[in-house]
Amino acid sequence: AQSVTQPDIHITVSEGASLELRCNYSYGATPYLFWYVQSPGQGLQLLLKYFSGDTLVQGIKGFEAEFKRSQSSFNLRKPSVHWSDAAEYFCAVGVRSGNTGKLIFGQGTTLQVKP
Amino acid sequence: KAGVTQTPRYLIKTRGQQVTLSCSPISGHRSVSWYQQTPGQGLQFLFEYFSETQRNKGNFPGRFSGRQFSNSRSEMNVSTLELGDSALYLCASSLRTSGGYNEQFFGPGTRLTVL
Repeated sequence: AQSVTQPDIHITVSEGASLELRCNYSYGATPYLFWYVQSPGQGLQLLLKYFSGDTLVQGIKGFEAEFKRSQSSFNLRKPSVHWSDAAEYFCAVGVRSGNTGKLIFGQGTTLQVKP
Repeated sequence: KAGVTQTPRYLIKTRGQQVTLSCSPISGHRSVSWYQQTPGQGLQFLFEYFSETQRNKGNFPGRFSGRQFSNSRSEMNVSTLELGDSALYLCASSLRTSGGYNEQFFGPGTRLTVL
């Protein structure tokens, strides 16, 4: 069955420090992978996506992610975190079945940024 | 262009009542999906509508239903509300072309509280 695991429920980093959020997926075919961010009381904003091609993808707000098929991972990184990055981050895999599609999400990682 | 809109943003109901939530997709998007977000279960897929037909359904009881209109706007209905239905309900729209996977754009959500 398809699944997404985000091993870290909560992460705290200092402002200006680097960040890596982990994501592992289980999916039999070529995955469509996404990272979303959610601020309190808000919907989900897409940070970046991987469909095919270059395994290092760039997103908005200075985020990037690397797809590693051998490790079934799609970790999110940012070289220097800003206080405004504090939010909840969700990794997701897009699953297609015929002409339908749905997203399967990980449990999320809450990022706290220390001044 | 305007994003996905959801109404109402907040709703308080009592057990046993029913509720209808509305979602207007991005102009030109014909697919609408619904997700439930709770602290315990995370983000879970409810169903997808395309061309006024339900195309995919998640593992939810029959109390959860939906429909889509000819202008692609969608409603979801929950009957006989239970305390556990308290959640943030997110709507997402996509183009839904025939090949590949289409990125989903999320609305701000409707926060439902069942008392």
